[in-house]
Amino acid sequence: GQNIDQPTEMTATEGAIVQINCTYQTSGFNGLFWYQQHAGEAPTFLSYNVLDGLEEKGRFSSFLSRSKGYSYLLLKELQMKDSASYLCAVREEDSNYQLIWGAGTKLIIKP
Amino acid sequence: DADVTQTPRNRITKTGKRIMLECSQTKGHDRMYWYRQDPGLGLQLIYYSFDVKDINKGEISDGYSVSRQAQAKFSLSLESAIPNQTALYFCATSDHAQETQYFGPGTRLLVL
Repeated sequence: GQNIDQPTEMTATEGAIVQINCTYQTSGFNGLFWYQQHAGEAPTFLSYNVLDGLEEKGRFSSFLSRSKGYSYLLLKELQMKDSASYLCAVREEDSNYQLIWGAGTKLIIKP
Repeated sequence: DADVTQTPRNRITKTGKRIMLECSQTKGHDRMYWYRQDPGLGLQLIYYSFDVKDINKGEISDGYSVSRQAQAKFSLSLESAIPNQTALYFCATSDHAQETQYFGPGTRLLVL
């Protein structure tokens, strides 16, 4: 079956670091995506992992462990504009390589 | 100019009406998708198309139909709208090589 879990909401302080976790159970894993979505706007692509390890891109990094069915998105030097929802999505072979989406984690940044 | 556009951006309709949501893209991508988003739920795939002659049902296709008029255009129709189809609808595109999906701005639909 398909199941993607993320915390519903997290709060962090401007300038700090926050880690958003995503766990998944899917059939035929074929890659994991992270997207950012500001309220009322379209999701925008942040990162893609298909092999185990850490992918770093500026202030944002994403980690994947396929054996544990686990990923996290790490945001450093938080800015107020990072307040948004962060969506985890897994691509599945058994779903014709379509994306299965988590419900998203709403991140609130406080001054 | 936006690469993926959707019209209308907002729509209010009544139960039983037929409506069409349109999506156009200038990215040159061959793959297009329609999703709906409800509060507290992940994006749910309605239909997807790998090219003009290839249309596939997603996880929640009942009550919806689509048409791929050209590589750049993919429209979603609600044949007889019902209140539980009230949602935010997104169109997305991807290239077969890269697979990253690029989203339009969304259409907010309210069915009364």
